[in-house]
Amino acid sequence: DAKTTQPNSMESNEEEPVHLPCNHSTISGTDYIHWYRQLPSQGPEYVIHGLTSNVNNRMASLAIAEDRKSSTLILHRATLRDAAVYYCILFDNNAGNMLTFGGGTRLMVKP
Amino acid sequence: DSGVTQTPKHLITATGQRVTLRCSPRSGDLSVYWYQQSLDQGLQFLIQYYNGEERAKGNILERFSAQQFPDLHSELNLSSLELGDSALYFCASSPWGGSGEQYFGPGTRLTVT
Repeated sequence: DAKTTQPNSMESNEEEPVHLPCNHSTISGTDYIHWYRQLPSQGPEYVIHGLTSNVNNRMASLAIAEDRKSSTLILHRATLRDAAVYYCILFDNNAGNMLTFGGGTRLMVKP
Repeated sequence: DSGVTQTPKHLITATGQRVTLRCSPRSGDLSVYWYQQSLDQGLQFLIQYYNGEERAKGNILERFSAQQFPDLHSELNLSSLELGDSALYFCASSPWGGSGEQYFGPGTRLTVT
């Protein structure tokens, strides 16, 4: 399985944008980039996914590098409720079944 | 609220015992996945069912088994429990098999004493 690398933790101030990086240098052409987050004491929550183009939804934006070897999850205005562990996961829709979670990035949001 | 429900929320049992965890997927979802989250192993995939059939297996122990019923709810059975089985067990669902967009339930916290 192609692996992802994320910083262990990041800190942000409330109401400021947050850029969460993910490196996936061994990504294959059929791998989609998925982001999940897990708030304290809750199950993981789907955030966004993309293949090549940048994607936006009500929760976040996903910026994908042109060579697809890295991506960035963007929270436009962090709130205290965004404090969570964020996971970047590669998933092959043609062959995949399971989500393979790494260590993720623990985002702390300061008021 | 993801629409996935899991019962019970908490379970405390003794070593050697057997327990059953239950999951109801989102309305219309045919695929159910089970994951285990422990402090030392992180989130790990256990098994997937699609429309009643086993679809994929991960690091699931032989003491563990699962099934998906005609109404699409799923049960995870854990037997001969050991202290190391203490963990959070999550169920997720998706409309079809092989989807990276999975919706997780709130989990069942199992404590084995």
